[in-house]
Amino acid sequence: GENVEQHPSTLSVQEGDSAVIKCTYSDSASNYFPWYKQELGKGPQLIIDIRSNVGEKKDQRIAVTLNKTAKHFSLHITETQPEDSAVYFCAATSGTYKYIFGTGTRLKVLA
Amino acid sequence: DTAVSQTPKYLVTQMGNDKSIKCEQNLGHDTMYWYKQDSKKFLKIMFSYNNKELIINETVPNRFSPKSPDKAHLNLHINSLELGDSAVYFCASSLSGPTDTQYFGPGTRLTVL
Repeated sequence: GENVEQHPSTLSVQEGDSAVIKCTYSDSASNYFPWYKQELGKGPQLIIDIRSNVGEKKDQRIAVTLNKTAKHFSLHITETQPEDSAVYFCAATSGTYKYIFGTGTRLKVLA
Repeated sequence: DTAVSQTPKYLVTQMGNDKSIKCEQNLGHDTMYWYKQDSKKFLKIMFSYNNKELIINETVPNRFSPKSPDKAHLNLHINSLELGDSAVYFCASSLSGPTDTQYFGPGTRLTVL
C-alpha cells in the first residue's frame, strides 16, 4: 500500500546550522508534497509545499526539493533558530484527497 | 478569526460513554477531514467529506460516525468509547480539489479512562 518513510526521527542542531529532513514515497502517482510543522499542543501548520512539476521551491530560510525518479523529497532549513524547534511531517498525495503522512521528525535547535 | 476550530480542546471520559467533537471552518472550503494522531505522533486520516458527501472512509470502527450538517461543519461522534480511542483528533479543511492544501484545527485531546 501507500507509504511515506521519513528520516531522521529526531534531529538536534546548533542554532545557525542547517537541518535536512528526508522523505521517500512509494506511490509513483503522488503529485503533491506538503510539509507541516507541529508545535507542542497545536495542530500541524503548512510551512511549504511542492508539486510534481517542480524540482525545488524556496521560501526564505525553508526550501523543499523533489526527485521524482528516486521518489524522494527533502526539507531544508537554513540558519536555524530556537523557534524552529518542533515536529515536522512530510506528506504525499496522488489526488485522492488522502494525505499519507510520514512518521515525523522532532527537531531541536540548541541555543 | 480562527480558520479551523474544534471543540472541546480536551475531553476526558469513561469507557463505554458516547461523546462528540465539533469542527467548524470559516475558510469557505468544500472539503473537510478528520485525522487521528496516536501517542507516537502518527497522523492517519479517518474520514473526508466533500460538499457534505462522504468521500473517504478509512478502516474505522463503526463506533465512529461523522456528520456534516453543512459545508462549514464536520462533527465526529464516538459511541461506546474504548481505551484505545485515546488520542488527539484533528479536523482539517481544504478548498475543494483532491490535492488542495489541507489546513488543520488545533486538535482535541481525548482521554478514555
